[in-house]
Amino acid sequence: DQQVKQNSPSLSVQEGRISILNCDYTNSMFDYFLWYKKYPAEGPTFLISISSIKDKNEDGRFTVFLNKSAKHLSLHIVPSQPGDSAVYFCAASKLAGNQFYFGTGTSLTVIP
Amino acid sequence: KAGVTQTPRYLIKTRGQQVTLSCSPISGHRSVSWYQQTPGQGLQFLFEYFSETQRNKGNFPGRFSGRQFSNSRSEMNVSTLELGDSALYLCASSSHNPGAGETQYFGPGTRLLVL
Repeated sequence: DQQVKQNSPSLSVQEGRISILNCDYTNSMFDYFLWYKKYPAEGPTFLISISSIKDKNEDGRFTVFLNKSAKHLSLHIVPSQPGDSAVYFCAASKLAGNQFYFGTGTSLTVIP
Repeated sequence: KAGVTQTPRYLIKTRGQQVTLSCSPISGHRSVSWYQQTPGQGLQFLFEYFSETQRNKGNFPGRFSGRQFSNSRSEMNVSTLELGDSALYLCASSSHNPGAGETQYFGPGTRLLVL
């Protein structure tokens, strides 16, 4: 039962343009969300988080948007750089819980 | 502060053998979680430990087990290895409660190949 879904396995974007990665979840109890970036042969690296009391959080080139009614979040990367090429995972948890639920990942390729 | 460390980084085993993987969390972190990553499956949650107690367990067979020591270091064990156990095993640590407004930080993983 995949409670967090990333329906796009891959995405290609030109350098300098915006990358938009999407994530949907099914459990309305989720109230804390994270994005991770993963290079091959490395562990995931934390990028940005958002709690359900917000609908937007920014950190430099990265912005996460949360639409609770649609159970949808997205990660915007502007401008995209070749070094952003990696697999991106979204993860969700309940504030009262002690487990993260991960999506299957989206492989982003930024073309120079 | 040193990050999460995992040993060994690579391992080759044959079917039927058992394997033990080790994880040292970030200093001061007391929660350790384990995940299995296989192509197309994302990160599948194995279990989470806090203060030497397993608090949460994913949907994996009993061949997968773990433990946590008083210094928060953790080990996971897989017995009677199967070909399908070939995967990247990731360990992540957080201060008290992954989720609950806390972030998990991952180690580099152990790549297990079962022949």
